[in-house]
Amino acid sequence: DGGITQSPKYLFRKEGQNVTLSCEQNLNHDAMYWYRQDPGQGLRLIYYSQIVNDFQKGDIAEGYSVSREKKESFPLTVTSAQKNPTAFYLCASRELAGKYNEQFFGPGTRLTVL
Amino acid sequence: GQSLEQPSEVTAVEGAIVQINCTYQTSGFYGLSWYQQHDGGAPTFLSYNALDGLEETGRFSSFLSRSDSYGYLLLQELQMKDSASYFCAVRDDSGAGSYQLTFGKGTKLSVIP
Repeated sequence: DGGITQSPKYLFRKEGQNVTLSCEQNLNHDAMYWYRQDPGQGLRLIYYSQIVNDFQKGDIAEGYSVSREKKESFPLTVTSAQKNPTAFYLCASRELAGKYNEQFFGPGTRLTVL
Repeated sequence: GQSLEQPSEVTAVEGAIVQINCTYQTSGFYGLSWYQQHDGGAPTFLSYNALDGLEETGRFSSFLSRSDSYGYLLLQELQMKDSASYFCAVRDDSGAGSYQLTFGKGTKLSVIP
């Protein structure tokens, strides 16, 4: 089955530690996105990538980093510079030529920094 | 930049019809999307309007008026499983073909018996 996987589902880290969230897709989509969602809030764009080895900052990129070495993978690192990292993180992908501009989302990773 | 306004909460009775409105301000408009998200789950795509008018998909319909910068999602024959948050989103083409989406804060729909 095609889809997007994110792991782990829940992640706990101590303050000051970097942590990397995994995102893998087998939909053969070119574009991939990372969003952050806080309780009762919409999705805010952290980073996005349209092709391998290229990515762009979104609205809230400070304290985060990404890489896109393979088409299928777009890991997100939450660094110690992110002042309030506890949130629900969602990865998405999209076919660039898609008619409806539809983004497909993974199940998310809930990060809690203690 | 982009901004979207939608009601934070709506309550409706099972079997009824509910309309969720969305107004937007954007520098370059290319389409309005709607996504559904159940608690703790992933958002899923519902509909997309690029042109004025009504798009119907089963019990769900979406409407767009570009001149009014306004759209709505209409849910008919409400079922308990429709209890979820609904997000409108506008496509933002930054000029580099990036096709980003800017999301509203979501409307939490509660369907009651």
